Amino acid sequence: AQSVSQHNHHVILSEAASLELGCNYSYGGTVNLFWYVQYPGQHLQLLLKYFSGDPLVKGIKGFEAEFIKSKFSFNLRKPSVQWSDTAEYFCAVNPRWNNAGNMLTFGGGTRLMVKP
Amino acid sequence: DAGVTQSPTHLIKTRGQHVTLRCSPISGHKSVSWYQQVLGQGPQFIFQYYEKEERGRGNFPDRFSARQFPNYSSELNVNALLLGDSALYLCASSFDSPYEQYFGPGTRLTVT
Repeated sequence: AQSVSQHNHHVILSEAASLELGCNYSYGGTVNLFWYVQYPGQHLQLLLKYFSGDPLVKGIKGFEAEFIKSKFSFNLRKPSVQWSDTAEYFCAVNPRWNNAGNMLTFGGGTRLMVKP
Repeated sequence: DAGVTQSPTHLIKTRGQHVTLRCSPISGHKSVSWYQQVLGQGPQFIFQYYEKEERGRGNFPDRFSARQFPNYSSELNVNALLLGDSALYLCASSFDSPYEQYFGPGTRLTVT
């Protein structure tokens, strides 16, 4: 079955540390890729997206992600995290089939805690 | 601009009952999708509606149904509730399909 895997379920970092969250998917065809963030008590917000073009995409709040097609990966990075980045992060994949529409398959999420 | 709105915020139902959840998309958005998020997991796709037509259906039983109205708002209906239906139900809207989606705050359903 097609799936999205986020291998790090919980990550704890100190402020100013660098962040990389892994995301791998198993879809064989062309896909649109997303990272969403859910801050405590808030709803899911779009961090960044990749549809086509430059595989290194920049999002809000200093986040970026790199699409590596050969590895079926879309890892999220941030050079220096802040306490306010404490949240749950979800990777999501939208297959570009004719009947897929907006269907998103989400990974299980990674809970990031940043210690001040 | 107002974001995606959902009602009610919280709901408690008994097994076997029926529930209707409502969603209003961002103004100008024509597509609404529904997701179920069980505690500790990522959201799971239930339905997508675009221009009032069903565009996609996830792996959910026929007890789940939805519709989209002419003003693009949407309802999710769940019949014969089971304990396992307890979850956060998320609505997401987008301008087009496929397109980036914007999520509402969700409706927390508890089935006892």
